[in-house]
Amino acid sequence: GAVVSQHPSWVICKSGTSVKIECRSLDFQATTMFWYRQFPKQSLMLMATSNEGSKATYEQGVEKDKFLINHASLTLSTLTVTSAHPEDSSFYICSAGPAGEETQYFGPGTRLLVL
Amino acid sequence: DAKTTQPPSMDCAEGRAANLPCNHSTISGNEYVYWYRQIHSQGPQYIIHGLKNNETNEMASLIITEDRKSSTLILPHATLRDTAVYYCIVRRIGNTPLVFGKGTRLSVIA
Repeated sequence: GAVVSQHPSWVICKSGTSVKIECRSLDFQATTMFWYRQFPKQSLMLMATSNEGSKATYEQGVEKDKFLINHASLTLSTLTVTSAHPEDSSFYICSAGPAGEETQYFGPGTRLLVL
Repeated sequence: DAKTTQPPSMDCAEGRAANLPCNHSTISGNEYVYWYRQIHSQGPQYIIHGLKNNETNEMASLIITEDRKSSTLILPHATLRDTAVYYCIVRRIGNTPLVFGKGTRLSVIA
C-alpha cells in the first residue's frame, strides 16, 4: 500500500508556542489530505480537509485560526497549532489516498504534549 | 455517511479465527465497507474493503451479507500482534474522509 509519513512523531512544547506538524505522501500525489485528532481512550475525530492549492475546510467546532493548514504541494500538508494550550495535547493523525484508488492511508501520528 | 454498530470488545484465542461483526443497516448503494485497525499509539492501518462481494487479501476476509446491511471481518489465524481496535466504516468512493466510530477492541489471548 501507499505510504504516508508524519514529522515529528512526538513534540513537547510550552503553552503559548506554535507547533508545526508535517504530513507527506511518499510515493503518490494527493490533492486532498485529512487531519484527525485523537484524545486518550477515544476514537479519531476528523478536524479538517486539506486541499492542495486552496483553503482547507474545517469540521464544526474546530477553530480555523488556531489550527492552520497549508497544502502547498501535492505531497505535503502542514498543520500548525498556534498558541498551543494544554487542552491541545493530543494525538494528531493525517490520511491521504492515491488518485484513482479507493483507499485512504494513514500516517503514524504525531503526539503533542503542551506543558 | 451511514453509521455502523460494532461490539465494544471481543476476545479470541491465539491461532483461532477472529470474527468481528458490523451492522450498517442504513448503508447506501454507493457506499463501500472499509475495515481499519489501530494498534496502540499508532496510526490506523488499512485492512480490507468491499462493495457487495466477499473479499479476501493476505490479512483478512470480508463477508458482506446479500442485503449489505451487515458484514464480518475474519482474521483466519489470530496472533497476539492482532490485538487492536478494529473499525468498520462505510464511505462513499472518492476524496471523502473516513468517519470513525468507537470500534471493537479485540484482545488475542495466548
